[in-house]
Amino acid sequence: EILMTQSPATLSVSPGERATLSCRASQSVSSNLAWYQQRPGQAPRLLIYDASPRATGIPARFSGSGSGTEFILTISSLQPEDFTVYYCQQYKNWPPTFGQGTKVEIK
Amino acid sequence: EGQLAESGGDLVQPGGSLRLPCAASGFTFGGYWMSWVRQAPGKGLEWVAYIKQDGSETYYVDSVKGRFTISRDNAKNSLYLQMNNLRVEDTAIYYCARTPRGGYWYFDLWGRGTLVTVSS
Repeated sequence: EILMTQSPATLSVSPGERATLSCRASQSVSSNLAWYQQRPGQAPRLLIYDASPRATGIPARFSGSGSGTEFILTISSLQPEDFTVYYCQQYKNWPPTFGQGTKVEIK
Repeated sequence: EGQLAESGGDLVQPGGSLRLPCAASGFTFGGYWMSWVRQAPGKGLEWVAYIKQDGSETYYVDSVKGRFTISRDNAKNSLYLQMNNLRVEDTAIYYCARTPRGGYWYFDLWGRGTLVTVSS
């Protein structure tokens, strides 16, 4: 099973600033990586798949990069609704596994 | 776009059983692999089970093998999770989720979830 490690656990950022979230895989997952946003009391929402393409309806301020074992989710200018939890997930190897999450909080 | 709506969550004693339905609408349900994903209170996400479009293939995380059964009824646009011999550690919100591309096991549509609590 591939272990996904997200860092930091909590990221403090001011509204309008850039947020950079990291996700590391314990072995290569090629580009088979997705990012999700989960607001309190809501289901996860797909942001990014295949490491970089945005899912339908996702604003351009969200971007993904990386391949192999190192991945980045960047939120270019944080809006109030962006302060929440983000998860990465690999789907290269069976079973699909998620990171433990990064909480983006208001600084 | 589509919608998914889970139901059936409840408080159940260890060793008990529960069946979770998920109703799909707004998309061609029978054309997609479907999954159950769970989230323990205050914890991260864990994939639980997959089922192929026609129900001919199913896959499970090791911790539920032999206890949980995923099934579907394409005529009713419905997905199910039969959970037997429940354990305290199965306590979680259970989400049904759609896989947009076979062989690429990520999830592009999620329901709002239903809470299963296993406790004596």
